[in-house]
Amino acid sequence: DTGVSQDPRHKITKRGQNVTFRCDPISEHNRLYWYRQTLGQGPEFLTYFQNEAQLEKSRLLSDRFSAERPKGSFSTLEIQRTEQGDSAMYLCAFKAVSANTEAFFGQGTRLTVV
Amino acid sequence: EDQVTQSPEALRLQEGESSSLNCSYTVSGLRGLFWYRQDPGKGPEFLFTLYSAGEEKEKERLKATLTKKESFLHITAPKPEDSATYLCAVQPLGTGAGSYQLTFGKGTKLSVIP
Repeated sequence: DTGVSQDPRHKITKRGQNVTFRCDPISEHNRLYWYRQTLGQGPEFLTYFQNEAQLEKSRLLSDRFSAERPKGSFSTLEIQRTEQGDSAMYLCAFKAVSANTEAFFGQGTRLTVV
Repeated sequence: EDQVTQSPEALRLQEGESSSLNCSYTVSGLRGLFWYRQDPGKGPEFLFTLYSAGEEKEKERLKATLTKKESFLHITAPKPEDSATYLCAVQPLGTGAGSYQLTFGKGTKLSVIP
């Protein structure tokens, strides 16, 4: 148990549909990250929250992507008008308050766009 | 831009045959270097954090070392259950944009044959 729960674990959707993923970290007082990982690649940074504030977004995060973290607890990542290129594993991670600590990852949500 | 290169891409070892994985990195200033293990279909599992050149950390059959330009993950007398993809990531110093995210390499896929 890494202290991060992601839901759903798998999602198959048709191109053009909207999808939403959820991430529940064990603690509210931490930094929360979203990463995307495609086959044979390492995770790529998407966005970062400190409590409820979204402090950084990658250029990978197109206008079709939006992330929220209401009240600094769980977080959601929504993808609108999905494309086949969005097929990937979406990983959520959290760090304790100290910037030097390691990030702990959830098991991820595997998205397949058909 | 921070860069992480891991080699080899894949490594097959006989059970008990020790070896090392390499992680070369380029970062303006290093806050931390992280090693993760990832099993198929799962999120990365944290192994080690290294902060400064000369630092070493061990866990069971794994030992991680750090120099100013690279890190090694030494695997001593590996077992089949050590088979996984091993990921290396760096976090840069600073408090500005990009300083809280991890940049990952593509990983080394390790297979340990009984």
